[in-house]
Amino acid sequence: EVHLVESGGGLVQPGGSLRLSCAASGFTFSWFWMSWVRQAPGKGLEWVANIKQDGSEKSYVDSVKGRFTISRDNAKNSLSLQMNSLRAEDTAVYYCARDGYSSAPFPQYYFDYWGQGALVTVSS
Amino acid sequence: DIQMTQSPSSLSASVGDRVTITCRASQSISSYLNWYQQKPGKAPKLLIYAASSLQSEVPSRFSGSGSGTDFTLTISSLQPEDSATYYCQQSYNTPRTFGQGTKVEIK
Repeated sequence: EVHLVESGGGLVQPGGSLRLSCAASGFTFSWFWMSWVRQAPGKGLEWVANIKQDGSEKSYVDSVKGRFTISRDNAKNSLSLQMNSLRAEDTAVYYCARDGYSSAPFPQYYFDYWGQGALVTVSS
Repeated sequence: DIQMTQSPSSLSASVGDRVTITCRASQSISSYLNWYQQKPGKAPKLLIYAASSLQSEVPSRFSGSGSGTDFTLTISSLQPEDSATYYCQQSYNTPRTFGQGTKVEIK
C-alpha cells in the first residue's frame, strides 16, 4: 500500500526557513516524478513544485521561485522542500503527492497519491 | 499560465440527483484534465484522469467528459458521502493549475 508521510511543519517567523520532508513507502519511489501541493486555510489547491525521477529536472510556481528548493533522496525514499525567506502568504497545509503516470489512453500525469499534509504557519 | 475556472462555486442537491460541475481552461489542454474530491480535513482524492478515465476503486456514478477547453464532472446519482469540494486540474503543462473548487452539499 502506498504511503506518503510529511513532517517538518510548524510555526516560523516571516523571513525564516523551514524544511519539509516526505517519507514514501509501498512503491518504487525512484520510478516516479513527485510534487508538493499546498492549500492556504479555507482556500483552494496550488501546485508548488515537482521533481523528476532522478532529480535532474525541477519546476516551481512563480511565487516560490528563488525561495523554495525541492529535492529527493531515492536511496532513502524521501522527498524534501526547503523553504527560505518565508512570507505570511506561504501559510498553508503542504501536501506531498505522487505524479502518477498512465500511457493510456495517452501519456499523461496526475496526482494519484497524497500525504496527510503538514501545516506551515508563517507569523510573527 | 493556464487558468482553470469552475462553475458553480457551490451547489446543493438532494440524494439521488444528477449533479454536473463544469471546468473551463483558458486555452486548449486537449484531454489533460483531472478531477479530485476533497473532504474537510483530508487530502484530495483522484477521481478522474485524462478527462474521462475513472481512477481505480472510484464509484461508477462519477464520470468525466470534455476536451479542448470545456470539461464536465457528473455524479449520476448523488450519495450522502459525495458531500465534498471538487477540483479540476490541468496536466497539459507546468505550472499544474487547479480550478478554484466546487463545494457540493446535500440538501
